[in-house]
Amino acid sequence: GAGVSQSPSNKVTEKGKDVELRCDPISGHTALYWYRQSLGQGLEFLIYFQGNSAPDKSGLPSDRFSAERTGGSVSTLTIQRTQQEDSAVYLCASSLSAANYGYTFGSGTRLTVV
Amino acid sequence: DQQVKQNSPSLSVQEGRISILNCDYTNSMFDYFLWYKKYPAEGPTFLISISSIKDKNEDGRFTVFLNKSAKHLSLHIVPSQPGDSAVYFCAAYSNYQLIWGAGTKLIIKP
Repeated sequence: GAGVSQSPSNKVTEKGKDVELRCDPISGHTALYWYRQSLGQGLEFLIYFQGNSAPDKSGLPSDRFSAERTGGSVSTLTIQRTQQEDSAVYLCASSLSAANYGYTFGSGTRLTVV
Repeated sequence: DQQVKQNSPSLSVQEGRISILNCDYTNSMFDYFLWYKKYPAEGPTFLISISSIKDKNEDGRFTVFLNKSAKHLSLHIVPSQPGDSAVYFCAAYSNYQLIWGAGTKLIIKP
């Protein structure tokens, strides 16, 4: 597609439920990044994919968080047993390669855990 | 440990005047520095960058200055326009990762 697409744009979920967030990067972009932004905070790195592999998972806050990428394209970020502190905007970005710092961001998914 | 810091959460500037946004960093190994602009309910969009080997990069109304000895960079916007009202993020790039500041909210007053 023309840009990075994220879905859903908004998600309200009950504490303890699992959620899946989807990112569809720009076609041809091999690098894909997940960030989150909590209220009043900067962007927090979560995970990075080069192709289908994730060389760096160090930013995932806990083992409740996981992500996968299939076919070198769409990525899914899964949060299990959501907690209120998971409430944030989850942003996905893609770039031509990991060596290219020109990231294109999606509009994000606003997750609210009630 | 914050490697990239934007110490001003917000800045208010009169339309037509110069806006100066500041950013400090701690790691001298960063290769590039970037500024992103973010409107509400949208993802950040790339604005301007500077290589660590340069001290200035200019693009229209936007100029980024890098002071490596002080580990400081700044974004100058002149003249400021109402559409410049947004949150501006400073980011530093090294080894495939962007490290982000917390952002500065710029408000342009008419």
